[in-house]
Amino acid sequence: EIVLTQSPATLSLSPGERATLSCRASQSIRNLLAWYQQKPGQAPRLLIYDASNRATGIPARFSGSGSGTDFTLTISSLEPEDFAVYYCQQRYDWPRTFGQGTKVEIK
Amino acid sequence: EVRLVESGGGLVQPGGSLRLSCAASGFTFSAVWMTWVRQAPGRGLEWVASIKHDGTEEHYVDSVKGRFTISRDNAKNSLVLQLNSLRVEDTAIYYCAKNGGSPDYLGQGTLVTVSS
Repeated sequence: EIVLTQSPATLSLSPGERATLSCRASQSIRNLLAWYQQKPGQAPRLLIYDASNRATGIPARFSGSGSGTDFTLTISSLEPEDFAVYYCQQRYDWPRTFGQGTKVEIK
Repeated sequence: EVRLVESGGGLVQPGGSLRLSCAASGFTFSAVWMTWVRQAPGRGLEWVASIKHDGTEEHYVDSVKGRFTISRDNAKNSLVLQLNSLRVEDTAIYYCAKNGGSPDYLGQGTLVTVSS
């Protein structure tokens, strides 16, 4: 099973700041990585698929990069609604797996 | 508009069974893989199972193999997850999700609680 390790576990930032979240895979997964956002009491929402493609309706302040084993989700300037938990997920192999999540909290 | 509405959750004793359903609309259900994802209370996301558009291929996470069965009825735009031999650690919100790779839509989920 492919293990995804996210860092940091928690990111404390202020609105307007830049957020950089990392996801590392235990083996190469090419670019087959997605990022999800989850707010309390809500279902996860797809932000980025195949490492760098924004999903429908996702604002341009969200961007993804990386390939192989190292990936990054960047939020260029945090809006109040961006404080949430973010998960990475691979679709390179079965079973699909998620990272353990990074919580972006208000500083 | 894509809609995924789960039902069938509830409280069940260890060793018991439940049948979860997902009613899908707003897309061509018969053309896409479908998936179940779960989330234990206060924990992260876990992929559970996926099924091919025509029902001929299924994949499961190891922890549910032999106990859970995913199935679909394309005529009714319906996805099902049969949960047998339930354990306390199966307690979670179960989300129905569109797509077998990186799901692009998830429902609001149904809560399964396994407790004596």
